[in-house]
Amino acid sequence: EVQLVESGGGLVQPGGSLRLSCAASGFTFTHHYMDWVRQAPGKGLEWVGRVRNRANSYSTDYAAAVKGRFTISRDDSKNSLSLFMNNVKVEDTAVYFCVREFVPGEALDNWGQGTLVTVSS
Amino acid sequence: YVLTQPPSVSVAPGQTATITCGGGNFGMKNVHWYQQKPGRAPILVVHDDRDRPSGTPDRFSGSRSGNTATLTITRVEAGDEADYYCQVWDENPDHVYVFGTGTRVSVL
Repeated sequence: EVQLVESGGGLVQPGGSLRLSCAASGFTFTHHYMDWVRQAPGKGLEWVGRVRNRANSYSTDYAAAVKGRFTISRDDSKNSLSLFMNNVKVEDTAVYFCVREFVPGEALDNWGQGTLVTVSS
Repeated sequence: YVLTQPPSVSVAPGQTATITCGGGNFGMKNVHWYQQKPGRAPILVVHDDRDRPSGTPDRFSGSRSGNTATLTITRVEAGDEADYYCQVWDENPDHVYVFGTGTRVSVL
């Protein structure tokens, strides 16, 4: 069974930093591209970014709203995905989901339960 | 790239709910659909326009006509009450996933 478990959420002040982690199990982590998707309170889904697999040099793509502030990385030896959030803004307040790409550039077939990040002074 | 969905759809139990997704030139892009119940993570219910993952009831079906994709739920049940989102992968000009605006399905 595929499992994605996020951790690291919490309260952070505007301009601060936070690192989210995602522990993956139940599938061959190294094969898949992995993504982060967020959802602000009462709002819709918003894609944050993705990291490709080793065969594609672990390259990344980001949404315009977070580009230059957020960094996605992975550690295949630990089946782990990370999201480093820097210079956070109030509008980054959201539940952050760790998500697996079924096939690159196609459906997101498995989602974690999410971790809440609140940006407030 | 904006994918527009109706904000809400209301349907009586046993009837059919239809959710549309449009607003862009889909071209060769596949459209995928997600169901999200309150306080839960989204789950994939239809991928590649019309295919169902194992576990998705056959009451859920996807289709596409031109630049409009549709998710249809037949014989609606109380448990189908949720938010539904369409999604595509856009490679031009930037590589991004785009989600629709979301539709709240209410079962009367």
